[in-house]
Amino acid sequence: EAGVTQFPSHSVIEKGQTVTLRCDPISGHDNLYWYRRVMGKEIKFLLHFVKESKQDESGMPNNRFLAERTGGTYSTLKVQPAELEDSGVYFCASSPDRDWYGYTFGSGTRLTVV
Amino acid sequence: DAKTTQPPSMDCAEGRAANLPCNHSTISGNEYVYWYRQIHSQGPQYIIHGLKNNETNEMASLIITEDRKSSTLILPHATLRDTAVYYCIVRSSYGKLTFGQGTILTVHP
Repeated sequence: EAGVTQFPSHSVIEKGQTVTLRCDPISGHDNLYWYRRVMGKEIKFLLHFVKESKQDESGMPNNRFLAERTGGTYSTLKVQPAELEDSGVYFCASSPDRDWYGYTFGSGTRLTVV
Repeated sequence: DAKTTQPPSMDCAEGRAANLPCNHSTISGNEYVYWYRQIHSQGPQYIIHGLKNNETNEMASLIITEDRKSSTLILPHATLRDTAVYYCIVRSSYGKLTFGQGTILTVHP
């Protein structure tokens, strides 16, 4: 089966611009998660979708971040406007059941804001 | 979710067993112990998980102490490709993973 796909793999944008990251989970996985690692810090949870609904968005840093999951399939994470501190690697993960043991992570999108 | 404590780094010779410890003294009864690893800049990779019994799969073994306050991940025959950051995570059934600093495991020839 295809894994979790994220694109772009790299993005370099200027401060103040908008960037949209996309995640395609494994087909049939109802649960989709976004995480990120900013420079020198630990990997941090951002939010959790169950199908198209936001189950937990407690990790979203501020209202410049907007996540959507259209029809419970792929998800997008928009940063508008981007700030320098948003630079880092954004990971997406999916699982078929929130109690299932293994999440599958994508390879991440490396975002650089200059 | 309970916090975990891991050594910042460990070394292991290729072909030998790598034993990575983790302390989770505040773990509660319904929390599982999970291990993930991150190789270079790839996404984290699930390795194994357990509640209170020891577990083994094709990648590793997980030994959990009887009081569940600590655990050890065992890679029975480490290879160079096992060089990675290993994360011990305690998680309830809610779903969110809380990553710490992890242990940087270096496997050398």
